[in-house]
Amino acid sequence: SQQGEEDPQALSIQEGENATMNCSYKTSINNLQWYRQNSGRGLVHLILIRSNEREKHSGRLRVTLDTSKKSSSLLITASRAADTASYFCATAANQAGTALIFGKGTTLSVSS
Amino acid sequence: EADIYQTPRYLVIGTGKKITLECSQTMGHDKMYWYQQDPGMELHLIHYSYGVNSTEKGDLSSESTVSRIRTEHFPLTLESARPSHTSQYLCASSEYGRDYEQYFGPGTRLTVT
Repeated sequence: SQQGEEDPQALSIQEGENATMNCSYKTSINNLQWYRQNSGRGLVHLILIRSNEREKHSGRLRVTLDTSKKSSSLLITASRAADTASYFCATAANQAGTALIFGKGTTLSVSS
Repeated sequence: EADIYQTPRYLVIGTGKKITLECSQTMGHDKMYWYQQDPGMELHLIHYSYGVNSTEKGDLSSESTVSRIRTEHFPLTLESARPSHTSQYLCASSEYGRDYEQYFGPGTRLTVT
Protein backbone atom coordinates (compact mmCIF):
# COMPACT_ATOMS: atom_id res chain seq x y z
CA SER A 1 0.00 0.00 0.00
CA GLN A 2 1.59 3.24 -1.15
CA GLN A 3 1.74 5.89 1.55
CA GLY A 4 4.26 8.53 0.55
CA GLU A 5 4.40 10.38 -2.74
CA GLU A 6 7.44 12.52 -3.46
CA ASP A 7 7.37 15.55 -5.66
CA PRO A 8 9.06 16.28 -7.99
CA GLN A 9 10.06 12.90 -9.41
CA ALA A 10 13.30 14.39 -10.68
CA LEU A 11 15.19 17.60 -9.99
CA SER A 12 18.29 19.03 -11.67
CA ILE A 13 20.17 21.97 -10.16
CA GLN A 14 23.59 23.59 -10.14
CA GLU A 15 26.06 23.32 -7.31
CA GLY A 16 25.40 25.91 -4.64
CA GLU A 17 21.67 26.07 -5.27
CA ASN A 18 19.09 24.81 -2.81
CA ALA A 19 17.03 21.69 -3.50
CA THR A 20 13.53 21.19 -2.14
CA MET A 21 11.68 17.90 -2.23
CA ASN A 22 8.16 17.30 -1.01
CA CYS A 23 6.41 14.25 0.38
CA SER A 24 2.70 13.71 0.90
CA TYR A 25 1.14 10.82 2.79
CA LYS A 26 -2.33 9.52 3.44
CA THR A 27 -2.79 8.19 6.97
CA SER A 28 -1.85 9.41 10.44
CA ILE A 29 1.77 8.81 11.38
CA ASN A 30 4.05 8.53 14.38
CA ASN A 31 7.06 9.89 12.53
CA LEU A 32 8.38 10.59 9.05
CA GLN A 33 11.90 9.79 7.91
CA TRP A 34 14.02 10.78 4.93
CA TYR A 35 16.53 8.46 3.32
CA ARG A 36 19.10 8.87 0.59
CA GLN A 37 20.13 6.24 -1.95
CA ASN A 38 23.16 6.47 -4.19
CA SER A 39 22.82 4.64 -7.48
CA GLY A 40 22.77 0.86 -7.02
CA ARG A 41 23.32 1.04 -3.26
CA GLY A 42 21.30 0.64 -0.08
CA LEU A 43 19.49 3.49 1.63
CA VAL A 44 21.04 5.72 4.26
CA HIS A 45 18.96 7.38 6.96
CA LEU A 46 19.14 11.19 6.91
CA ILE A 47 16.69 12.54 9.44
CA LEU A 48 13.59 11.63 11.48
CA ILE A 49 10.85 14.04 12.45
CA ARG A 50 8.16 13.08 14.93
CA SER A 51 4.49 13.92 14.42
CA ASN A 52 4.60 16.52 17.21
CA GLU A 53 7.54 18.35 15.62
CA ARG A 54 7.25 20.96 12.89
CA GLU A 55 10.83 21.51 11.82
CA LYS A 56 14.17 19.82 12.26
CA HIS A 57 17.70 20.62 11.11
CA SER A 58 20.75 18.48 10.52
CA GLY A 59 23.75 20.15 8.89
CA ARG A 60 22.62 21.36 5.46
CA LEU A 61 19.30 19.53 5.76
CA ARG A 62 16.07 21.10 6.92
CA VAL A 63 12.89 19.06 7.24
CA THR A 64 9.42 20.40 7.88
CA LEU A 65 6.28 18.48 8.73
CA ASP A 66 2.69 19.67 8.40
CA THR A 67 0.42 16.99 9.82
CA SER A 68 -2.72 18.95 8.95
CA LYS A 69 -1.76 18.77 5.27
CA LYS A 70 -0.12 15.37 5.64
CA SER A 71 3.01 16.64 3.96
CA SER A 72 6.72 17.08 4.58
CA SER A 73 9.53 18.83 2.77
CA LEU A 74 13.27 18.23 2.67
CA LEU A 75 15.49 21.21 1.89
CA ILE A 76 19.16 20.71 1.04
CA THR A 77 21.01 24.01 1.14
CA ALA A 78 24.14 24.88 -0.82
CA SER A 79 23.99 21.63 -2.77
CA ARG A 80 27.11 19.78 -3.90
CA ALA A 81 27.72 17.33 -6.70
CA ALA A 82 28.03 14.64 -4.02
CA ASP A 83 24.36 15.23 -3.09
CA THR A 84 23.36 13.60 -6.38
CA ALA A 85 21.18 10.65 -5.33
CA SER A 86 17.59 9.54 -4.91
CA TYR A 87 15.76 10.73 -1.82
CA PHE A 88 12.88 8.81 -0.23
CA CYS A 89 10.45 9.71 2.48
CA ALA A 90 9.15 6.93 4.72
CA THR A 91 6.34 7.01 7.24
CA ALA A 92 5.92 5.06 10.46
CA ALA A 93 2.35 4.40 11.56
CA ASN A 94 1.15 4.91 15.11
CA GLN A 95 0.84 1.20 15.77
CA ALA A 96 4.01 -0.10 17.33
CA GLY A 97 5.83 -2.70 15.33
CA THR A 98 4.56 -1.79 11.89
CA ALA A 99 7.04 -1.43 9.07
CA LEU A 100 7.99 1.83 7.38
CA ILE A 101 6.23 2.64 4.14
CA PHE A 102 8.43 4.26 1.51
CA GLY A 103 7.46 6.73 -1.19
CA LYS A 104 8.54 6.60 -4.82
CA GLY A 105 11.50 8.93 -4.37
CA THR A 106 12.91 12.08 -5.94
CA THR A 107 16.01 11.80 -8.10
CA LEU A 108 18.31 14.77 -7.54
CA SER A 109 21.10 15.65 -9.96
CA VAL A 110 23.55 18.34 -8.94
CA SER A 111 25.92 19.49 -11.65
CA SER A 112 29.16 21.37 -11.07
CA GLU B 1 28.70 2.75 8.12
CA ALA B 2 25.94 0.31 9.01
CA ASP B 3 26.91 -3.17 10.19
CA ILE B 4 24.56 -5.02 7.89
CA TYR B 5 25.85 -7.24 5.14
CA GLN B 6 24.38 -8.87 2.08
CA THR B 7 25.84 -11.56 -0.12
CA PRO B 8 26.18 -11.97 -2.97
CA ARG B 9 26.22 -8.40 -4.28
CA TYR B 10 25.50 -9.54 -7.83
CA LEU B 11 24.00 -12.81 -9.03
CA VAL B 12 23.17 -13.99 -12.52
CA ILE B 13 21.37 -17.30 -12.55
CA GLY B 14 19.29 -19.43 -14.89
CA THR B 15 15.57 -20.02 -14.69
CA GLY B 16 14.49 -22.77 -12.30
CA LYS B 17 17.49 -22.56 -9.98
CA LYS B 18 17.10 -22.33 -6.22
CA ILE B 19 18.84 -19.35 -4.67
CA THR B 20 19.38 -17.96 -1.21
CA LEU B 21 20.23 -14.33 -0.59
CA GLU B 22 22.09 -13.82 2.65
CA CYS B 23 21.63 -10.95 5.09
CA SER B 24 23.31 -10.55 8.45
CA GLN B 25 23.64 -7.73 10.96
CA THR B 26 25.85 -7.31 13.99
CA MET B 27 23.84 -4.63 15.77
CA GLY B 28 21.58 -6.99 17.71
CA HIS B 29 18.48 -5.56 16.07
CA ASP B 30 15.22 -7.41 16.60
CA LYS B 31 13.52 -6.23 13.43
CA MET B 32 14.70 -7.17 9.97
CA TYR B 33 13.21 -6.54 6.54
CA TRP B 34 13.49 -7.51 2.89
CA TYR B 35 12.58 -5.02 0.16
CA GLN B 36 12.42 -5.45 -3.59
CA GLN B 37 13.33 -2.47 -5.75
CA ASP B 38 13.43 -2.16 -9.52
CA PRO B 39 15.92 0.44 -10.88
CA GLY B 40 14.77 3.98 -10.21
CA MET B 41 11.59 2.80 -8.56
CA GLU B 42 10.12 2.66 -5.07
CA LEU B 43 10.85 0.04 -2.45
CA HIS B 44 8.33 -2.73 -1.88
CA LEU B 45 8.34 -4.58 1.44
CA ILE B 46 8.21 -8.33 0.79
CA HIS B 47 9.07 -9.85 4.19
CA TYR B 48 9.81 -8.74 7.73
CA SER B 49 10.59 -10.22 11.11
CA TYR B 50 10.17 -8.97 14.66
CA GLY B 51 12.60 -11.47 16.14
CA VAL B 52 13.69 -15.08 16.18
CA ASN B 53 11.05 -17.46 14.77
CA SER B 54 8.90 -14.51 13.67
CA THR B 55 8.31 -13.85 9.97
CA GLU B 56 5.58 -11.91 8.19
CA LYS B 57 4.73 -11.22 4.56
CA GLY B 58 4.92 -7.65 3.39
CA ASP B 59 2.76 -5.58 1.09
CA LEU B 60 4.11 -7.00 -2.14
CA SER B 61 3.26 -10.59 -2.87
CA SER B 62 6.43 -12.56 -3.34
CA GLU B 63 7.23 -16.16 -4.19
CA SER B 64 10.22 -16.02 -1.88
CA THR B 65 10.41 -17.35 1.67
CA VAL B 66 12.43 -16.24 4.69
CA SER B 67 13.56 -17.68 7.99
CA ARG B 68 14.80 -16.18 11.24
CA ILE B 69 16.56 -18.80 13.30
CA ARG B 70 19.18 -16.43 14.70
CA THR B 71 18.78 -12.75 15.56
CA GLU B 72 21.59 -11.69 13.29
CA HIS B 73 20.63 -13.70 10.21
CA PHE B 74 17.64 -13.29 7.84
CA PRO B 75 18.10 -15.21 4.59
CA LEU B 76 15.69 -15.02 1.67
CA THR B 77 15.14 -18.05 -0.56
CA LEU B 78 13.67 -18.44 -4.03
CA GLU B 79 12.89 -22.11 -4.69
CA SER B 80 12.67 -21.70 -8.46
CA ALA B 81 13.98 -18.47 -9.94
CA ARG B 82 12.17 -16.86 -12.87
CA PRO B 83 13.00 -13.84 -15.07
CA SER B 84 10.24 -11.89 -13.25
CA HIS B 85 12.37 -12.15 -10.10
CA THR B 86 15.06 -9.98 -11.69
CA SER B 87 15.40 -7.00 -9.37
CA GLN B 88 17.45 -5.53 -6.54
CA TYR B 89 16.83 -6.97 -3.10
CA LEU B 90 17.58 -4.81 -0.08
CA CYS B 91 17.85 -6.06 3.48
CA ALA B 92 17.39 -3.74 6.46
CA SER B 93 17.25 -3.91 10.24
CA SER B 94 16.13 -1.70 13.11
CA GLU B 95 15.55 -1.71 16.82
CA TYR B 96 12.03 -2.51 17.96
CA GLY B 97 9.80 0.52 18.33
CA ARG B 98 8.42 3.35 16.24
CA ASP B 99 11.15 5.97 16.49
CA TYR B 100 14.04 4.01 15.11
CA GLU B 101 15.71 4.37 11.75
CA GLN B 102 16.32 1.44 9.47
CA TYR B 103 19.84 0.43 8.51
CA PHE B 104 20.19 -0.95 5.00
CA GLY B 105 22.61 -3.37 3.49
CA PRO B 106 24.23 -2.66 0.09
CA GLY B 107 21.72 -4.83 -1.77
CA THR B 108 21.85 -7.88 -4.03
CA ARG B 109 21.24 -7.30 -7.70
CA LEU B 110 19.64 -10.47 -9.09
CA THR B 111 19.32 -11.27 -12.77
CA VAL B 112 17.48 -14.40 -13.82
CA THR B 113 18.07 -15.41 -17.42
